[in-house]
Amino acid sequence: EPEVTQTPSHQVTQMGQEVILRCVPISNHLYFYWYRQILGQKVEFLVSFYNNEISEKSEIFDDQFSVERPDGSNFTLKIRSTKLEDSAMYFCASKRTGLYEQYFGPGTRLTVT
Amino acid sequence: RKEVEQDPGPFNVPEGATVAFNCTYSNSASQSFFWYRQDCRKEPKLLMSVYSSGNEDGRFTAQLNRASQYISLLIRDSKLSDSATYLCVVKAGGTSYGKLTFGQGTILTVHP
Repeated sequence: EPEVTQTPSHQVTQMGQEVILRCVPISNHLYFYWYRQILGQKVEFLVSFYNNEISEKSEIFDDQFSVERPDGSNFTLKIRSTKLEDSAMYFCASKRTGLYEQYFGPGTRLTVT
Repeated sequence: RKEVEQDPGPFNVPEGATVAFNCTYSNSASQSFFWYRQDCRKEPKLLMSVYSSGNEDGRFTAQLNRASQYISLLIRDSKLSDSATYLCVVKAGGTSYGKLTFGQGTILTVHP
């Protein structure tokens, strides 16, 4: 069964550093998403991406965040200058055209020190 | 009012028990509804979509009441492997892009 994959599984970085989180969505899916979950809190939407552009973003997704689909398979989330409060699990998700169900990757645990 | 509200539990039930979870949502324009389960420090996994007519998948039954903005999940004959956090998830209407809004989750522990 096709799955969303994410790398790395755990990233430790120092405050102020740039990080790039990588995702490979399911191959026939065209809608891509990033969510995050701070420890002990609910899953929160960050951004949706379709047709090579952002279709919707939340208030969390400020100028420090960007997304890119650099090639036909990868989908990345970049945080330009990490803050302590960016420490969270970051989940990538994807969905097929015409369906509403989203499938999540295993997540990247980001720890900012 | 929270967009998606769930009883956080925890629910502690013996194997074989029937347990029900409830969820309410605030946006009457919400279009699609789901239950996901999340194991500790893992990703949300789709359990089932919820349809207006109600739907069943094995031991799991989901119901939707649009008038009351209420969603439920019933688990029959609980197994130890059902222990997890159950997430009520709602997609707003109006766009096809599909931003999902999650509840806080309801913790279920099934014990022998």
